[in-house]
Formats: sequence, structure tokens, C-alpha cells
Amino acid sequence: SAVISQKPSRDICQRGTSLTIQCQVDSQVTMMFWYRQQPGQSLTLIATANQGSEATYESGFVIDKFPISRPNLTFSTLTVSNMSPEDSSIYLCSARPGGFRTGELFFGEGSRLTVL
Amino acid sequence: QQQVKQSPQSLIVQKGGISIINCAYENTAFDYFPWYQQFPGKGPALLIAIRPDVSEKKEGRFTISFNKSAKQFSLHIMDSQPGDSATYFCAASKIGGGSNYKLTFGKGTLLTVNP
Repeated sequence: SAVISQKPSRDICQRGTSLTIQCQVDSQVTMMFWYRQQPGQSLTLIATANQGSEATYESGFVIDKFPISRPNLTFSTLTVSNMSPEDSSIYLCSARPGGFRTGELFFGEGSRLTVL
Repeated sequence: QQQVKQSPQSLIVQKGGISIINCAYENTAFDYFPWYQQFPGKGPALLIAIRPDVSEKKEGRFTISFNKSAKQFSLHIMDSQPGDSATYFCAASKIGGGSNYKLTFGKGTLLTVNP
């Protein structure tokens, strides 16, 4: 398993600003992902955070809006840039310790973002 | 295209009853089917998962039933308790490499267990 810590847990931001969410895993993991969950909705994959290379983004998400860093096997950041009220959501970091060998995916508690 | 369809959207059960949530998938490449439980203000937590080599898996009060030919799987919560009140998500992916390794989630079921 993996224990995932995210910060901030919640924040209120002004339109046009940017916020960086940090994600720390308690062990080295091969695969890390970032999800978005709008209130009362399901989870939507934003991107796969690749260690040492550029993140792989899903359709509808772009690097300029959601830049991601992954400097090592235990840490990643997601930045939400030039925020608008539509970006108000819960952002979830997740890790798959077994990589391709297993399917188990573990989540952090999420970062609840409100944009005014 | 929604690859994992989940129903019902919401479910109300009396304490001690059986809660049943159903999911159907389309991609025959999927071979890993987990269920997640999410409480308000918390991240999703892996509850139980099944691979298609078995038709049923039980862990305590939670059971997954899997029907490969119908491409369906379901979560049964026996003796449902108020503490089980949460949102439940089914998901599917493929173990190993390839294009289907990322989890695809259903839309979720809000379960309320009345005391």
C-alpha cells in the first residue's frame, strides 16, 4: 500500500492566480497520477506524472493550465494556473506502488480548491 | 464513450439490509475491477477488487460478484450499517502495459444506510 499526503487540504483563491498542490508518498512508487473530482461527481484523470520526464495529459487537459512536476519517486506537484471559478474542484493525487504489475491505486485526501 | 456504467446513482437501505451496486463495462481488455469507498471530505479508499479468473470475492461483509460473459460486476454489502453510508465507485483497468492500464471510474453511487 501507500500513504499519500497532500497539501494544502483546501484553499480559497482569487480568479487569475495560480496554486501549486504538493503530493508526498511514503515510499517510492513507479506511477503517480493526478485526478480531478468536481462536487458530487466521479473522478477524472488529469495526467500521469512521469518521473524525470514531462507528464502525460489526458484529453481536455493541457500542460499550460496544469503543469506537473515529478522530481523523484516519492513527490509530485500539480499547479492550477490562471484559475477561474470553473477550476473549483477537488484535486486528488494517487499512486500505484505496483506499477504495471498490479492495479492497486491509492489516493491522498484531496485538495479542495475554491476559486472566487 | 462511458466505458464503465454504474447504477443506481443513489441507494437507501435500512440497517441490516443488503446493499447492491452494479457496474457494466465495455472494454474486454479490462482485467482488474476494484471498488472504492469515499466518505465526505476524504479521498477514495480501495475497498475490494477482483480479477476475472474468479466469479466472486468476499472480504468481511463486502462481496464482489463478477460475470465475465455479461461484462458486469457488482458489490454486495451484507448487514449494511450506518457507517457504510458513503459514495461507492466501481472502476476497471488492465494489469500490465498497453493503453488500458489507467483506471476508468463509474459515476458513483451514494449509499445511505438508515438506522
